[in-house]
Amino acid sequence: SSELTQDPAVSVALGQTVRITCQGDSLRSYFASWYQQKPGQAPVLVMYGKNNRPSGIPDRFSASGSGNTASLTITGAQAEDEADYYCNSRDTSGNHLVFGGGTKLTVL
Amino acid sequence: EVQLVESGGGLLQPGGSLRLSCAASGFTVSSNHMSWVRQAPGKGLEWVSVIYSGGSTYYADSVKGQFTISRDNSKNTLYLQMNSLRAEDTAVYYCARIHYYDISGYKGNAFDIWGQGTMVTVSS
Repeated sequence: SSELTQDPAVSVALGQTVRITCQGDSLRSYFASWYQQKPGQAPVLVMYGKNNRPSGIPDRFSASGSGNTASLTITGAQAEDEADYYCNSRDTSGNHLVFGGGTKLTVL
Repeated sequence: EVQLVESGGGLLQPGGSLRLSCAASGFTVSSNHMSWVRQAPGKGLEWVSVIYSGGSTYYADSVKGQFTISRDNSKNTLYLQMNSLRAEDTAVYYCARIHYYDISGYKGNAFDIWGQGTMVTVSS
């Protein structure tokens, strides 16, 4: 299978916690990575692996996974976290890469 | 500074060809796995192609046989040759470096460096 499924939109109140999920068969074999994209900008890697955060990414971002589902959690969402979030992994063959459809996060 | 800069985008008619370039600085393209990702207007990210450090290449089904990924080691530059372009190829094209990793036998990848993107518009 080469599909990763994300909820199209999620909202969170300022300062609260939000979880964005990504489902796909390949996630049983491969870690997901997560990207934040703001309008008119290139995507930015925010989480990868078991729970790895690139330098410069706030520690309110975390990742987890179980079975065919990967999750990105933002603990204490800030206004600047409002963006589109994409998950990514390999497909079940391991040779092709695939992105989820994206989740638009609104911070209320 | 580690950086990727794309160029070569533009407006062209259906059936035309275009070659995108992605110049890298701060690291060596040939020693890394590199990829192209595109984003149609108002749509999500779509993986297009990858070239591994060893030279193997793979393509999304949507562009296989139509696009060719390559690199010039002397120029430290990644390319995407796009032929027989169609309206549905209209998108911002990003190049990105891929970091592959293996944690206790469980593998993953991360696009850790992205270019700013170059717009390709296919229209009559």
